[in-house]
Amino acid sequence: KAGVTQTPRYLIKTRGQQVTLSCSPISGHRSVSWYQQTPGQGLQFLFEYFSETQRNKGNFPGRFSGRQFSNSRSEMNVSTLELGDSALYLCASSLPRGQTSIGANVLTFGAGSRLTVL
Amino acid sequence: GQNIDQPTEMTATEGAIVQINCTYQTSGFNGLFWYQQHAGEAPTFLSYNVLDGLEEKGRFSSFLSRSKGYSYLLLKELQMKDSASYLCAVRANRRADDYKLSFGAGTTVTVRA
Repeated sequence: KAGVTQTPRYLIKTRGQQVTLSCSPISGHRSVSWYQQTPGQGLQFLFEYFSETQRNKGNFPGRFSGRQFSNSRSEMNVSTLELGDSALYLCASSLPRGQTSIGANVLTFGAGSRLTVL
Repeated sequence: GQNIDQPTEMTATEGAIVQINCTYQTSGFNGLFWYQQHAGEAPTFLSYNVLDGLEEKGRFSSFLSRSKGYSYLLLKELQMKDSASYLCAVRANRRADDYKLSFGAGTTVTVRA
């Protein structure tokens, strides 16, 4: 069973540019969440999508956006990049907790997209 | 906001035991997760606690006290491959359709020979 796939794995952008990151969840997982990971800050929640609808959003500026397609694949976009946007962006997919063996929706993470803004 | 605290770094010897503490102050509580993250890799799920008490899974155990807002992850018989970052995360919202987790900054564990 394939895991969560994120592309690209590494990218370098300059300030003011925009970037689009892609995430393919585990087959059958309809929920996709995005997190930003930086040293010292840990993982910060960006947003979560389910059946093409954004169900939850973290405290990030409007430059951060996302969407989900009918096949559950998701993209996130960051516009007008700033130096502080340099981070590892992690995508995670999950089943509803009622469909898991432990009764909790466990997030399965992808390896991430490492963004460097110069 | 949610506040989740864990030590930044810990060092232990191969074969020893290490306990990673996590304290949380969140607007609500609906479960606590521990994840392991090796450098350059994806976080992977280790354990889940929603009721008070100890959950044991092989060499790893996790404990929860909801009244104290406290959890720990116990790693026994440490191996070199256990060198990694350990992330404590809390699901604060009871809504069934809210999957958001609030993470601590992570504890880097270094296992020495």
